[in-house]
Amino acid sequence: DARVTQTPRDKVTEMGQEVTMRCQPILGHNTVFWYRQTMKQGLELLAYFRNRAPLDDSGMPKDRFSAEMPDATLATLKIQPSEPRDSAVYFCASALLVGEQFFGPGTRLTVL
Amino acid sequence: SQQGEEDPQALSIQEGENATMNCSYKTSINNLQWYRQNSGRGLVHLILIRSNEREKHSGRLRVTLDTSKKSSSLLITASRAADTASYFCATEPAGNTGKLIFGQGTTLQVKP
Repeated sequence: DARVTQTPRDKVTEMGQEVTMRCQPILGHNTVFWYRQTMKQGLELLAYFRNRAPLDDSGMPKDRFSAEMPDATLATLKIQPSEPRDSAVYFCASALLVGEQFFGPGTRLTVL
Repeated sequence: SQQGEEDPQALSIQEGENATMNCSYKTSINNLQWYRQNSGRGLVHLILIRSNEREKHSGRLRVTLDTSKKSSSLLITASRAADTASYFCATEPAGNTGKLIFGQGTTLQVKP
């Protein structure tokens, strides 16, 4: 049963700390997306990759957020330093080029 | 930025009734997709309709697309309590990027 996995599922941290979220896309999928979901803003696209190369990260605050794909089986989203306004659920999704996206269960981040 | 606007924001119906949700968008698209999200979980793909299609069915789901009005509707027939969830439309802008822009969603409650 192929699915996208994300770790950690929950993260509570203090303001100023570094946070790293990890995603394992479905094997064979070559496009990976990072989204952030909040009650106020809804679901926002932060960044996405195709064949491990970043295609668009315009939705990401550049000064503190970074996204990478060290290899085809791992995508990371890092926040340094974290701020309370970063509290949200972060989703990773993968797809085979275009069309249907498969979402992971999300990482619920709380920054105190 | 949010492209899709969904209407209504919330809908409460009795089991067995039909539920209709609408989505409007702003730019040319390759396709429009509908996703479902149960509380605290990731999004699950329901159905995709391409820009050259007008109607599509999948089980109890019926989706229509009117590109001249830039709008879509999702009809769930014979609703069940298990259909209680949030439903999101997502548009893939023209250009074959694979990127999706999500609406704010409709929260559906189906009362047993």
